Amino acid sequence: QKEVEQNSGPLSVPEGAIASLNCTYSDRGSQSFFWYRQYSGKSPELIMFIYSNGDKEDGRFTAQLNKASQYVSLLIRDSQPSDSATYLCAVTPNSGNTPLVFGKGTRLSVIA
Amino acid sequence: DAGVTQSPTHLIKTRGQQVTLRCSPKSGHDTVSWYQQALGQGPQFIFQYYEEEERQRGNFPDRFSGHQFPNYSSELNVNALLLGDSALYLCASGGTSSGNTIYFGEGSWLTVV
Repeated sequence: QKEVEQNSGPLSVPEGAIASLNCTYSDRGSQSFFWYRQYSGKSPELIMFIYSNGDKEDGRFTAQLNKASQYVSLLIRDSQPSDSATYLCAVTPNSGNTPLVFGKGTRLSVIA
Repeated sequence: DAGVTQSPTHLIKTRGQQVTLRCSPKSGHDTVSWYQQALGQGPQFIFQYYEEEERQRGNFPDRFSGHQFPNYSSELNVNALLLGDSALYLCASGGTSSGNTIYFGEGSWLTVV
């Protein structure tokens, strides 16, 4: 059973701080890793994907992957109230159009 | 460029009824996947269609069935609805043009009463 684990939160951070969201996965064969943001009542929106160990930066977002530890994280710098949402971690076992396995998501609240 | 479109947006059905949800993939995408997201949970994979065939299936009963049309659009059918089928149903499209990145539609909210 392939599993993706996330702390459900809520994670509360003050405006302007760094929010750190974490995710672990059970399948060592996982190759692709995704972070989606989901506002209440809306569908998931892709923020970032990462395939290789290390960091990948895109604006205020940084994804970090450590395959040896089966761990992937998302850092949000200069957090804004508009970042308040549920963040879903998803992994796929290999490349191509294979199904995503999602965690339950971490609810982030950025306090103004 | 239209993204993934789904219909209907919201619907209410009675236990035992049948429902059909529809999805048009993003332009250039040939693969459609369906996910179910219950309240407070992450999306769960139902099945995937490519070249009008079901290619992969998640752990869902046969009450859940689907179809893909030559224009790549897709339908999800659920028979004999149960209260537990109440959820957000998400269509996701992808293809060789998007690598293994998928994009979700706005979803269809199904309430079974």
